[in-house]
Amino acid sequence: EAQVTQNPRYLITVTGKKLTVTCSQNMNHEYMSWYRQDPGLGLRQIYYSMNVEVTDKGDVPEGYKVSRKEKRNFPLILESPSPNQTSLYFCASSRDRGREDRDTEAFFGQGTRLTVV
Amino acid sequence: QKEVEQNSGPLSVPEGAIASLNCTYSDRGSQSFFWYRQYSGKSPELIMSIYSNGDKEDGRFTAQLNKASQYVSLLIRDSQPSDSATYLCAVVRGSTLGRLYFGRGTQLTVWP
Repeated sequence: EAQVTQNPRYLITVTGKKLTVTCSQNMNHEYMSWYRQDPGLGLRQIYYSMNVEVTDKGDVPEGYKVSRKEKRNFPLILESPSPNQTSLYFCASSRDRGREDRDTEAFFGQGTRLTVV
Repeated sequence: QKEVEQNSGPLSVPEGAIASLNCTYSDRGSQSFFWYRQYSGKSPELIMSIYSNGDKEDGRFTAQLNKASQYVSLLIRDSQPSDSATYLCAVVRGSTLGRLYFGRGTQLTVWP
């Protein structure tokens, strides 16, 4: 089954304790992204990756790190979490059909609800 | 101006009615447009994609695109209570492939 898998689904942590949220896709997609979703603010992109070892900042990258060492995995790292990073996080992947063709849909993981106290 | 703006809602329609959701975007170079549905606490799922001016129909859903007016809409015909969700408009801005900009969403309630 084609899917994007995030872990953990729920996480409560304390301020300053480093954490990693994992994301893995089995569709051989080139693009992967991380979003956070907050009430009234919608989905905002944190980081995205166009392929292995190619990443770039989205709209709200402060306080986050990513890496793309393998095509299927795109972990999100919070080196020193703070309460304002309490949010619902989504990982997404999509296929690169090349600049001659249209963008394809983004497939989303189940989400990770993070609480930083 | 925000990249993608949606009518804020919430929108409430009776079962069987047509629900109309609207979205405007700021970048005239945008080429790809998507509508996602998100149930509370769940991940977004794609309903429609549209790339050319005009209408695109898929079952009860019709997406409309007007690039000159920078406007995208979604019509849901014969609305069902199961359509109650938040609808997200998403735009790929210009040539930045892989980057989706989302509107804040419109919450739709279909009452029996």
